[in-house]
Amino acid sequence: DVKVTQSSRYLVKRTGEKVFLECVQDMDHENMFWYRQDPGLGLRLIYFSYDVKMKEKGDIPEGYSVSREKKERFSLILESASTNQTSMYLCASSAIGVGYEQYFGPGTRLTVT
Amino acid sequence: GQSLEQPSEVTAVEGAIVQINCTYQTSGFYGLSWYQQHDGGAPTFLSYNALDGLEETGRFSSFLSRSDSYGYLLLQELQMKDSASYFCAVREDKIIFGKGTRLHILP
Repeated sequence: DVKVTQSSRYLVKRTGEKVFLECVQDMDHENMFWYRQDPGLGLRLIYFSYDVKMKEKGDIPEGYSVSREKKERFSLILESASTNQTSMYLCASSAIGVGYEQYFGPGTRLTVT
Repeated sequence: GQSLEQPSEVTAVEGAIVQINCTYQTSGFYGLSWYQQHDGGAPTFLSYNALDGLEETGRFSSFLSRSDSYGYLLLQELQMKDSASYFCAVREDKIIFGKGTRLHILP
């Protein structure tokens, strides 16, 4: 059974803290993605990666960075968390090929206080 | 600029048919996908159209017209478990998601 896992379902951090969100996939997928989801705004792409050590900015990369040292793992880093980064964060992976069918993790609900 | 437009909410009756439309304006286009997301759950893939026409998968069908930059998801024989949000997504050099359509189903 294919699986994308995320390190935490719920996370509470203070303003200014450095936050790491981890995502692991077991499908040997080349592509990995980080989205944030907010009510009424849908899924917005933060960063994506097509290969190990590769990263591409999405639509809202400001305030975030990523790391992909191994094919199965894609980390999202909030260098200095702010209250406007309170959101649901979703990781996804996909194989290269037609359709770009994405498999999503369960999400991390991050609250920054 | 890039934009995907879909209705924010749609209401239908159990057993009926409902259509959720999606129009898009993007710099590139390879195909249109649809995802379903139940409350508290992760999005799950439903369908992908790269060419014009209708693709059928069980009770769900998806349509694409590239010349009109338009597609729709058709749900037949609606069941209460179909109550969810539905997102269209365009594949260009990355994936761009619409804001989602909340489907309410009345008994």
